Formats: sequence, structure tokens, C-alpha cells
Amino acid sequence: DIVVTQSPDSLAVSLGERATINCKSSQSVLSSSNNKNYLAWYQQKPGQPPKLLIYWASARDSGVPDRFSGSGSGTDFTLTISSLQAEDVAVYYCQQYRSTPQGTFGQGTKVDIK
Amino acid sequence: QVQLQQSGPGLVQPSQSLSLTCAISGDSVSGDTITWNWIRQSPSRGLEWLGKTFYRSKWNYDYALSVKSRINIKADTSKNQFSLQLSSVTPEDTAVYYCVRDRHRELQGGGFDLWGQGTMVTVSS
Repeated sequence: DIVVTQSPDSLAVSLGERATINCKSSQSVLSSSNNKNYLAWYQQKPGQPPKLLIYWASARDSGVPDRFSGSGSGTDFTLTISSLQAEDVAVYYCQQYRSTPQGTFGQGTKVDIK
Repeated sequence: QVQLQQSGPGLVQPSQSLSLTCAISGDSVSGDTITWNWIRQSPSRGLEWLGKTFYRSKWNYDYALSVKSRINIKADTSKNQFSLQLSSVTPEDTAVYYCVRDRHRELQGGGFDLWGQGTMVTVSS
């Protein structure tokens, strides 16, 4: 099974500053057939289900603000919030969906305001 | 607007079966590029995919190995909904359960793009 590990477990960033979350997969999630990385990022606020932010490692889902960006390929990925807003306080998860029938989630990274 | 509405009991006794239903509005349970999933979340296990159903000329099912002997997912086209049944539950099955839509990963990018509101299920006597 592919194991997904996030770092750090938590971080605190000042409003307007950059937040960076890392995600490492134990195996490559790059598809050789279409050159897409099957890696997604989610945001979860208290009492709510996760919300899809990024798919294919770097494509923003509909309605997601452009301060959220995803990068990386193969086994190493990053989610960046370019200018942290108060409403971005949440737990963020990465998920690989290269292996089917199930994908696996990272353990989550909690983002707070410093 | 597409929505998933979950229903089912929040308390289940040990050794009994957990049953949840997810009603779909604005999409079809028989959609040929979509899969319909159940995912649970607990502090000890994090986000855990349990299983899915999807229609590709016939109904298909896939289940996580961890629950394969206890799980059953069914689609009901007449009501446009799908359901989860998990048998022989223990306190370790206590979690928030979500029904979730998954997009075709090659055609639509993949990712769990639509989630139900979640149901907190507690296994206790």
C-alpha cells in the first residue's frame, strides 16, 4: 500500500504570510499514461467535511481562491497558501489516488494564526 | 446544485449492524464517470476509505480489506441513493461516516469532490 506522510503536523503563520505544507508518498503517484500526478489536497474546518482544493497535484478545483497552489511530482508535493487569511485556519490533508480501489490520506496538518 | 444527504442512527450497539443511507440530488447514482464512496474519520484512524459502488454497464463494488468481511454497499436507482451496512460493529467502528462522490481521475481529475454532511456513529451499549 502507498503510505502518505505530511509535514509538519501543525504550523502557525501570521496573517498575510505564506504557509507551506509538505506531502510525501512512499511510491510515485505519477501516471506514465497521461503524465498526471494523482494527488489531491483537502481543507477541513471544524464540524465540516473535507473540501477538495487541488487535484492532479496542481489543478485548483472550482471556486478555490488562487492563493492556494499545489506543486510537486512523483513522490514529493507541496501545498502553498500564498497569503494566509483568517478563514484558512483548518486542517489540510493530502491524498493519493494512484492506487485503486482505494486512495490513502495523510495524517493532516493543522494551520493556525500566529 | 448537487447535494448528498445522509441519514441513519447515531448510536449502534456492539455486535449489531450499522446502516446509513445517502440520498443524491442533482446527480445520478448510475452516472458512468462517477463512483459513490463511504469514508469514515476518527482520531485514531484518520480518514479511512471503506468502499464504493459504481455503474459501468453493471453494478460494481470495491471494499477496503480492513472491513471487507463486514461491509455491504448498495445502490438504489429508484430512490437515487446508496447505502452502507457494516456488520458486527465494535467500539473501534466509532467514527464520523461520510458519503462521498469521486470523479473519474483521467477525465475529470479525480478527487473526492462532494461530501455528505457526516454522521457521528457511536458504538456503545
